Order: sequence, then C-alpha cells, then structure tokens
Amino acid sequence: EVQLVESGGGLVQPGGSLRLSCAASGFTFSNSWMNWVRQAPGKGLEWVANIKQGGGETLYVDSVKGRFTISRDDAQNSLYLQMNSLRVEDTAVYYCVTGWGLDDWGLGTLVTVSS
Amino acid sequence: DIVMTQSTDSLAVSLGERATINCKSSQTVLSSSDNKNYLAWFQQKPGQPPKMLIYWASTRKSGVPDRFSGSGSGTDFTLTISSLQAEDVAVYYCQQYYGIPTFGLGTKVEIK
Repeated sequence: EVQLVESGGGLVQPGGSLRLSCAASGFTFSNSWMNWVRQAPGKGLEWVANIKQGGGETLYVDSVKGRFTISRDDAQNSLYLQMNSLRVEDTAVYYCVTGWGLDDWGLGTLVTVSS
Repeated sequence: DIVMTQSTDSLAVSLGERATINCKSSQTVLSSSDNKNYLAWFQQKPGQPPKMLIYWASTRKSGVPDRFSGSGSGTDFTLTISSLQAEDVAVYYCQQYYGIPTFGLGTKVEIK
C-alpha cells in the first residue's frame, strides 16, 4: 500500500522559509516521478512542482519559480520542497503526490504565511 | 499551459439518479504517439486529500466502484456517476497530464 507522509508545515512570516518533507513507502520510490500539489483554504487544486526519477529534471508552476526548490533522496525514499521568500498567497495545504498522472496522495501539511 | 474548464460549479442530484460532470480542455490532451487521452478525474471529500477515480479518460482506478465512468476524447470529457449514492457527495476535479498538470476548478455534487 502506498503511504506518503508529509511534514514540516507551520506558521511563517512573509519573506520567511520552510522546508517540507515527504516520507514515502509501499512502492518503488526511485522509479517514480514525484510532485507537490497545493490547495489554498476553500479553493481548488494547484500543481506546484515535480521531479523526475533520478532528480535530473524538475518543473515548477510559474508563481513559485526562483523561490521553491524540489528535491529527492532516493536512498531515504524522501521528497522535499524548500520554500523561500514565502508570500501570503502561498498559504495552503501541500500534498506529496506520486506519478506524472498524480496517482496517490498524502494527507498533506498546512503552511500558513501570515504576519 | 492547458486550461481546464468545468462549466458547472455545483450539481444537485437525487439519490439513485445519474450525475454528469463535464470538462473541457483549451487544447487537445490526446497524444498522437500513443492514442491516449491524458485526462484524469479526482474526487475530494471534506477534510480529505483528493482521490484518483479515472485515468486515461476512461480507465477506472483499482477499487473504484463501477458506477463511476469516464468518457470523451480530445478536448471534451465527461465523468458520470450512474446511480448517485450518499457517499458520493464530494467535489470532483478533472486534470490533464498531457503537459504540466492543470486542474479544473471543481464541481460540487450534492444530494437533492
């Protein structure tokens, strides 16, 4: 059974930084594209970033380019999202998601950017 | 980026009746190389993460009840719930993965 457990969310001031982590199990992590998808309170879904098997290719939504960095550690079956220069509009639940087609989702971690 | 449009924000259907949700993409999501539509449907219940129901536009994910079906090709797609059950109350999203993934805004399904 696929399990994805996100951590690292919390309250941060505008301009601050956070690092999200996702611990994966139940599938071959090293063979999978991995994603971060977010959902602002009461809003729809927005794909944020993904990373290819091996980590050699990454893609980002325009609104986070230059501020967020996705990475992975295949030895630890872990996915990360380094978020810098956070803005109020980055407030959301951040989900760790497997596959190019967004097959399986974690429960999410809440990031709140507020002064 | 490909824009996904769900024309109905909310839908009220009686128990046991059919629910139909439409989705349109701003450009084709049908790949000419493998003849597959890169289109998925998700269900999200309150307080839960989204759950994939359908991929390749019409393939049900393992464990999804057969009352859920997907159809369409190219730019126009439909999710049908053949006989609405109480546990189907949720928001439904279409999503394309032909390019950078994008979602529709969602359709909320309620009981009439």
